[in-house]
Amino acid sequence: SQKIEQNSEALNIQEGKTATLTCNYTNYSPAYLQWYRQDPGRGPVFLLLIRENEKEKRKERLKVTFDTTLKQSLFHITASQPADSATYLCALDGAGANNLFFGTGTRLTVIP
Amino acid sequence: SQTIHQWPATLVQPVGSPLSLECTVEGTSNPNLYWYRQAAGRGLQLLFYSVGIGQISSEVPQNLSASRPQDRQFILSSKKLLLSDSGFYLCAWSSTTDTQYFGPGTRLTVL
Repeated sequence: SQKIEQNSEALNIQEGKTATLTCNYTNYSPAYLQWYRQDPGRGPVFLLLIRENEKEKRKERLKVTFDTTLKQSLFHITASQPADSATYLCALDGAGANNLFFGTGTRLTVIP
Repeated sequence: SQTIHQWPATLVQPVGSPLSLECTVEGTSNPNLYWYRQAAGRGLQLLFYSVGIGQISSEVPQNLSASRPQDRQFILSSKKLLLSDSGFYLCAWSSTTDTQYFGPGTRLTVL
């Protein structure tokens, strides 16, 4: 199985700044890595997927990097807004199995 | 477009009572289906997944079971609930092993 660490349980940043969240994994190298957003009492919502042969992917104010040498993904939210406050989960494929392994998440709070 | 439904939204059950949670998906055929549990302040724990009718894989041994009687229906059951079964239960579907789409969840409290 895969061990996934999201190094901060909680992160507080000022509105307008860039939030950077980290996801580290051990064991096998995943074919892809995903980031999800989860609001309290709701199911996670898919944000971005990055494959092992991609270094970086962007979507609006979001940017994800994937370093297979460091076994790490960074998730950036630029020009952060209070509406970005949520828990962000990273997930890795299950090495050929039909499932994903999720990290425990980082709770981001953007302070106005 | 595809939609996923779960019910009930909330449930309060006594210890030892049975459980049945239902999940249905619309707008897609032969989806992979998943049941997760999320305890308070914890990550997502995969409980079961299914790649087809009657095909269930269990990830964690427990007093829960899952069934897939129809292509787009996934049911989570228990004959006797334990206190430790309390949590937020999420159903998800995917068309491949890539992106998963989650339902709204069921908040289960066992007293």
